[in-house]
This record gives sequence, C-alpha cells and structure tokens, in this order.
Amino acid sequence: LAKTTQPISMDSYEGQEVNITCSHNNIATNDYITWYQQFPSQGPRFIIQGYKTKVTNEVASLFIPADRKSSTLSLPRVSLSDTAVYYCLVDFTGGGNKLTFGTGTQLKVEL
Amino acid sequence: DAGITQSPRHKVTETGTPVTLRCHQTENHRYMYWYRQDPGHGLRLIHYSYGVKDTDKGEVSDGYSVSRSKTEDFLLTLESATSSQTSVYFCATQDPLRGGSSTDTQYFGPGTRLTVL
Repeated sequence: LAKTTQPISMDSYEGQEVNITCSHNNIATNDYITWYQQFPSQGPRFIIQGYKTKVTNEVASLFIPADRKSSTLSLPRVSLSDTAVYYCLVDFTGGGNKLTFGTGTQLKVEL
Repeated sequence: DAGITQSPRHKVTETGTPVTLRCHQTENHRYMYWYRQDPGHGLRLIHYSYGVKDTDKGEVSDGYSVSRSKTEDFLLTLESATSSQTSVYFCATQDPLRGGSSTDTQYFGPGTRLTVL
C-alpha cells in the first residue's frame, strides 16, 4: 500500500533554512513528488515538483536521493509568512487513486 | 489559481439527509478531484474524474458519489450524510500533459466546511 510519512511539526526562526522530509515507500522511477503549502481556511497551493535528484525554483528546492524512498523540501530563508502546513504528494505510478498526500507538517516560524 | 469555486462554502445538515457539493472551474482543465481533509489525516482522495462522464473511486469513496456531465462542473453527493462525514471538502483541477499524465500541478478550490449533526 502506497504511503507517505512526514513529521507532524517543525519550528524555526526567520532567516533560517528549513528542510522538511517526506518518506514514501514503493515509489517507481518516474513517480512524481509534489509539495504544497496550505494556510488556514485555504486550499493547498503548489510549491515545487520533481521526480529525480534536485529541482529548484524561486521559492524552494526539492532533493530526491538515489533510492527515492524519501524527498526533502528545502525553504532557503524562511520568514513569518512561511508559517503554514506543508504536504508532499506522491503520484504512485499513474495518479488517480494512487495520488497519496502526506499527513502534513506544520511549520511555525518565529522572530 | 485556476478559477475554481466551491458551493456552498459552509453547510450544516442533519444525519440521514442527502447533500450535494459543487465544484466549478473556468479553465477547461480535464482532470478534477474531490478530497476531504480531517485533523490527523491530511488530504484523502474521495473520487476523481479524467473527463466528462469518466469518474473513478479514490481512497475513501464509501458513502459518496460523483457526477461530471460538463467539463466545468464536478458534483460530490453524500447520499445519506453521517457524522463521520463532517469534514472540509476540497475540489482540485489539473491540466495534464498530453498522453494522460497526471503529474502536473493540481489547483485547489477554497473548500467547503460541512457539519453533519
């Protein structure tokens, strides 16, 4: 059974780098991993997506090791406005009912 | 965002009554999804659609049905609401790559908070 696991919560301070890891079993070579950010009373919002090695965009980086059993979302210099819940979504070979969200990580950023 | 609206945004109903939630999108995205979000469970897929009249079950489909008669609308029906269906429901759309890949970004609606008494 496809499953993803994330830490329940993390705390950080403004200006620090934050790394959130998602563990995913039974992931295939071309299965994509996507990270979303969610603020209270809003729907999740796309941050970054990839399926191998490293992807970087203007807000985050995504690192995927060779064994692909986990992935790490890296937020380079967090601010108070990054306080949110972060979800990884794994497309276990083909989408549909195999799209499995992690349980989410509550990130709290303080001054 | 992909111009996704959900209605109603809030609803309180009684056990045993039927409830229909509506998701409407203006971007002509082919794929649409219904999720529920509960504390400790994150987002769980209820049903999804890969096109008009093409729907399938997700992880937690029992007690729910869906219909998609037009590209822009995806309806979620609780045939007989139960207290365990109290949740926040999110609709999402996706515009897949040619060839049917579902790897592109999902765009989420604002959610519907449903309370079943």
